[in-house]
Amino acid sequence: DAGVIQSPRHEVTEMGQEVTLRCKPISGHDYLFWYRQTMMRGLELLIYFNNNVPIDDSGMPEDRFSAKMPNASFSTLKIQPSEPRDSAVYFCASTPTSGRIGEQFFGPGTRLTVL
Amino acid sequence: GDSVTQMEGPVTLSEEAFLTINCTYTATGYPSLFWYVQYPGEGLQLLLKATKADDKGSNKGFEATYRKETTSFHLEKGSVQVSDSAVYFCALSTGTSYGKLTFGQGTILTVHP
Repeated sequence: DAGVIQSPRHEVTEMGQEVTLRCKPISGHDYLFWYRQTMMRGLELLIYFNNNVPIDDSGMPEDRFSAKMPNASFSTLKIQPSEPRDSAVYFCASTPTSGRIGEQFFGPGTRLTVL
Repeated sequence: GDSVTQMEGPVTLSEEAFLTINCTYTATGYPSLFWYVQYPGEGLQLLLKATKADDKGSNKGFEATYRKETTSFHLEKGSVQVSDSAVYFCALSTGTSYGKLTFGQGTILTVHP
């Protein structure tokens, strides 16, 4: 079975541009998480969904960030406009309700560089 | 709120040395505890877990025991290998927010031949 799929793997953009990161969770998983990882702040939970509904978005840094989950197999994280301080690795993870609690399955991440 | 505190890194060891990475937690409920590992260029993956007091989680030679009296979950390995070089994250989950993990800050481990 395929794991969590993220695209693109690398993104380089200029300040002010819109960036869209994509995630496909493991089939049957009804929780989806977006994380950001930087050297300065470590691993931060941005937002998570259950059955496509956002449950907690308190980690979203500001209004420039938005996330959607239009269906069970796809989610996006959008940054508009992007700034250099958004440079980080963004991870998506999923887990099933019926699975073992706390076992999240992470994608390979998207490395974002904003110039 | 819930929180996890790990020992400061980075940790540098020679191959076959003994490893301990300390982890303590605070939680409002009765948490399950986890260690995740992140190899260079990859996402995190579950290494081991324990769901109740005195449980011992183990995998790939790593072990950690759930100590409720000291609110700790220290990671140990008797003989590390170069391939163990990675970032290790301690984490907890409580029933109040199903599926959500609270992570520690991560500890970088480098093992030299």
